[in-house]
Order: sequence, then structure tokens, then C-alpha cells
Amino acid sequence: QSALTQPASVSGSPGQSITISCTGSSSDIGGYNYVSWYQQHPGKAPKVMIYDVSKRPSEVSTRFSGSKSGNTASLTISGLQTEDEAYYYCSSYTGDTNWVFGGGTKLTVL
Amino acid sequence: QVQLQESGPRLVKPSETLSLTCSVSGDSISSYYWSWIRQPPGKTLEWIGYFSNSGSTNYNPSLQGRVTISADTSKNQFSLTLKTVTTADTAVYYCAKYYNAFDIWGPGTTVTVSS
Repeated sequence: QSALTQPASVSGSPGQSITISCTGSSSDIGGYNYVSWYQQHPGKAPKVMIYDVSKRPSEVSTRFSGSKSGNTASLTISGLQTEDEAYYYCSSYTGDTNWVFGGGTKLTVL
Repeated sequence: QVQLQESGPRLVKPSETLSLTCSVSGDSISSYYWSWIRQPPGKTLEWIGYFSNSGSTNYNPSLQGRVTISADTSKNQFSLTLKTVTTADTAVYYCAKYYNAFDIWGPGTTVTVSS
């Protein structure tokens, strides 16, 4: 199973909105509504920000939202804050109880 | 509050076996799915496999044949065994609970494969 494709980096200024894409295939993203997004700060474990494409854990800010169209999922962060600077990884169920992650995107808040 | 903690040797020699244990507190491993995930230095996350509440297991096809995940419900722990390691298996190894997503993670433990 190949990793999902994400841009290596994105950047934005405080207060702006950014979107990170995650492209897979009909065997993963396109075939299931089980896409999740994780935030990882350096030296820390990942933290789930979005699950089931667009659902947000109660402890996650409403500035984070997710969507999907075809084989591509997206994570949007609105009202960028300096603490949002981190790596972001998408993940998808691939069937046969397997999961795959994206290559990761480094978000820089300028 | 569910907490996970990885433990095991930090240094393993090439061709030998890597063994890690994840201790779970705050919930029973008889519920949910419990996974191992790793992250080589500077690289992305890789799902290794899971142990489920029904006792079933499944593994990443790229590691099939070398990996085993088992559980000890009496100790509320689950374990990872990876055979015949190479330097490519050097990584931070995380254990994680799966419920709709990998929603709870351990802090991770760095395992280096080197002679």
C-alpha cells in the first residue's frame, strides 16, 4: 500500500486560512469515509484533529475542519495561530482492516 | 483517562528480534482496537498492525511474516515482535488505541538497530 500524497509544506500568516490536501485512490480515500488528520509537534506523539472525514473531537478547536471530494481529502485551518505550526498527517482506511498514512505536510505560520 | 506507555530495549542488533510492550491504563484492552505505528527519523508514520478486542490481528502487508502483535489481558498490555530487523527498522515506535481514529497515543519509544 502506497502512502497518501500530501504537499511537503504550506505556509500562512496569523489569522489567515490554509488548506492541506491529501490524495489517494478509490481503494482508500475514495472508497471509505474513514479519513483522519493528525497534528504532530516536534518530539511529540501525533494528536487526532479530524476523524471520519469531517468530525472533530470535542477538545479540538472549531478552526479545524475536514472534507473530501473523490479521492482527495482536505484539512482547512482558519484563523491561523502560531501554535498551529506543526506537521500534519492524513490517514485513511484501505479495506481489509488496514490503514495508510500520508507523507506529511509541514505547516509554517509566518 | 486512557494512557499508553511503550517499553522495551532501545538498541537492537541487525538480524535480531525487536520486542516492545505497551501498557494501558484507564481502559481495558478487551475493548477497541490497539495498534503499533512507527516513524523512522525524518519520515512519515507507518501503520504496523493491530490487536482487536475480539482477539484478531492484522498486519501491514509490507511487514507480513516478520511481525506479531499479541496481548496479555491479565496485565492489560499488548506487545510487538519484529523479527530479523535491519537498519531500516530504526524508528520511533508508538502504540495507539483506535476508536474511529488513532485517538490515544503513547509518547513513543526510539528503537535503534545497530551493531
